[in-house]
Amino acid sequence: IAGITQAPTSQILAAGRRMTLRCTQDMRHNAMYWYRQDLGLGLRLIHYSNTAGTTGKGEVPDGYSVSRANTDDFPLTLASAVPSQTSVYFCASSASGGAPDTQYFGPGTRLTVL
Amino acid sequence: GQNIDQPTEMTATEGAIVQINCTYQTSGFNGLFWYQQHAGEAPTFLSYNVLDGLEEKGRFSSFLSRSKGYSYLLLKELQMKDSASYLCAVSNSNYQLIWGAGTKLIIKP
Repeated sequence: IAGITQAPTSQILAAGRRMTLRCTQDMRHNAMYWYRQDLGLGLRLIHYSNTAGTTGKGEVPDGYSVSRANTDDFPLTLASAVPSQTSVYFCASSASGGAPDTQYFGPGTRLTVL
Repeated sequence: GQNIDQPTEMTATEGAIVQINCTYQTSGFNGLFWYQQHAGEAPTFLSYNVLDGLEEKGRFSSFLSRSKGYSYLLLKELQMKDSASYLCAVSNSNYQLIWGAGTKLIIKP
């Protein structure tokens, strides 16, 4: 069982380019999340999905979009990347989004926008 | 606003005991989590407290006081592999996790 996988592992991107970060889980978890982690700051929630077909905005959603077509996949898209989106991005999942369930994290994607 | 505070960095000696504190102010409370994160890796779950008191799990224990908005993580018999960042997170009224910036723990031989 792989748990949660993310791709790519790292990416250098020119400003203005479109980029999709991929996230797949095989635990049949209902809820999935995207966070960014920046030095000196806590993990910040970008978007979340409590169940397939639904999504919601987190603390820092501007410049990002997500979709949840099925249970397993939760891609994050940067429509037009800017340097302030340079960060480490973590995808996570939990059994339920409507309860304080443990979140399990993918290995992360390190994104640099130049 | 919502806020989680924890020390930025702590240093301890191998074999010793260290306590990492976390104070929080959030909109609602549905429990507090501690995660461990080694450099360059993903956070991994350590503990969850929703009721006041101490939860012990091997060398690690976690304490919660809801009235004080306070928790601590206690690590005993420190090992070099415990060198990592320790993240405190609170589940708020919407069941979203609000995260502290993490405490980097440095273990010296």
